[in-house]
Amino acid sequence: GAGVSQSPSNKVTEKGKDVELRCDPISGHTALYWYRQRLGQGLEFLIYFQGNSAPDKSGLPSDRFSAERTGESVSTLTIQRTQQEDSAVYLCAKTGLADYLGTDTQYFGPGTRLTVL
Amino acid sequence: ILNVEQSPQSLHVQEGDSTNFTCSFPSSNFYALHWYRWETAKSPEALFVMTLNGDEKKKGRISATLNTKEGYSYLYIKGSQPEDSATYLCAFEGGGSEKLVFGKGTKLTVNP
Repeated sequence: GAGVSQSPSNKVTEKGKDVELRCDPISGHTALYWYRQRLGQGLEFLIYFQGNSAPDKSGLPSDRFSAERTGESVSTLTIQRTQQEDSAVYLCAKTGLADYLGTDTQYFGPGTRLTVL
Repeated sequence: ILNVEQSPQSLHVQEGDSTNFTCSFPSSNFYALHWYRWETAKSPEALFVMTLNGDEKKKGRISATLNTKEGYSYLYIKGSQPEDSATYLCAFEGGGSEKLVFGKGTKLTVNP
């Protein structure tokens, strides 16, 4: 995904446990997004980091969700006391210029598939 | 709440068929419309970013049109191949917002 890695690729956890999902934009970039896709739903915006500005957390579904980012590098999405409805594919994306498009677009990582039992 | 709708939800076609699907989005405060292809076990990949009313984009056998006044975009695939099998997502970008609002996608399966 044009320089975005995520880990783990799959995570199975028990209800009530905490999980941490990691995103590395590799080359570094000011703008970084987290999304999730639950079964049968569209990609849902969670949180957005832009440089040194305060992150836009308007998409976080509850206070069990939080995310951090250090500078222009790695971001961690933490879900506390996981619930079954948290099961989803969690995607991280960064913005970048796509020469073949002639404009900026979002480059996505491969995602983390989270399953809460 | 912004609503981006895609139809159909899923589509099965035979190899060689041409097909198209629709994305509808708010006609106000439009900035750009993005199309992505998401193959299983891979990252979503940007196909097109469209900004102007009447815009048409083409990449190989795939093309897209845009009508910002009525709030819809069509994606066309000519002569579908099995490797075109994927979920096709559209995303609305409003003026002044860096966030994309995605539709639920159209899952295309091309049978050999």
